[in-house]
Amino acid sequence: EAGVAQSPRYKIIEKRQSVAFWCNPISGHATLYWYQQILGQGPKLLIQFQNNGVVDDSQLPKDRFSAERLKGVDSTLKIQPAKLEDSAVYLCASSLAAGQAGGYTFGSGTRLTVV
Amino acid sequence: RKEVEQDPGPFNVPEGATVAFNCTYSNSASQSFFWYRQDCRKEPKLLMSVYSSGNEDGRFTAQLNRASQYISLLIRDSKLSDSATYLCVVADDYKLSFGAGTTVTVRA
Repeated sequence: EAGVAQSPRYKIIEKRQSVAFWCNPISGHATLYWYQQILGQGPKLLIQFQNNGVVDDSQLPKDRFSAERLKGVDSTLKIQPAKLEDSAVYLCASSLAAGQAGGYTFGSGTRLTVV
Repeated sequence: RKEVEQDPGPFNVPEGATVAFNCTYSNSASQSFFWYRQDCRKEPKLLMSVYSSGNEDGRFTAQLNRASQYISLLIRDSKLSDSATYLCVVADDYKLSFGAGTTVTVRA
């Protein structure tokens, strides 16, 4: 079974620039999550999709972050404009259904450095 | 107060030793509990679920104490390959909350 695919693997940008990350979940997984993991911290949920609808985006900084999951499959996360504190690993995960932490699969993540 | 708190460690133990650490959670209504493992610069991966009665998976034993709202993980006969960060995960309804992780280093 193919895992969760993410790209790019690494990205370095200057502050105030824009950046986009892409995620392709495991086939058939209805629920997709974007997490931000800052060095030394646990993953923090940014947004959760159920199919193409948003379930929870309460911790998404909506003034600069946006995400979409058109057609309920692939998803993109965008940051515009980036700040230094956005430097982190952005992890995408998927599961068959919401809340199934035992059935989560994470992608390898995108490591963002904002300089 | 953080939703999930863990002792960050690091726990530095020799091969063959037993190491144990806890995690506390703030939401008494939390329903499901898990331990994830995260290797350096890798993504988190499920280690094991934590059941109310406690459960074992090989050298790993997980316990849940709902009254005191803590979860524990014990690793017996530590191997070099057990070196990692262990993330405590608490779930209620659809939402998961991750602890910051406990780092374990097993030395030869």
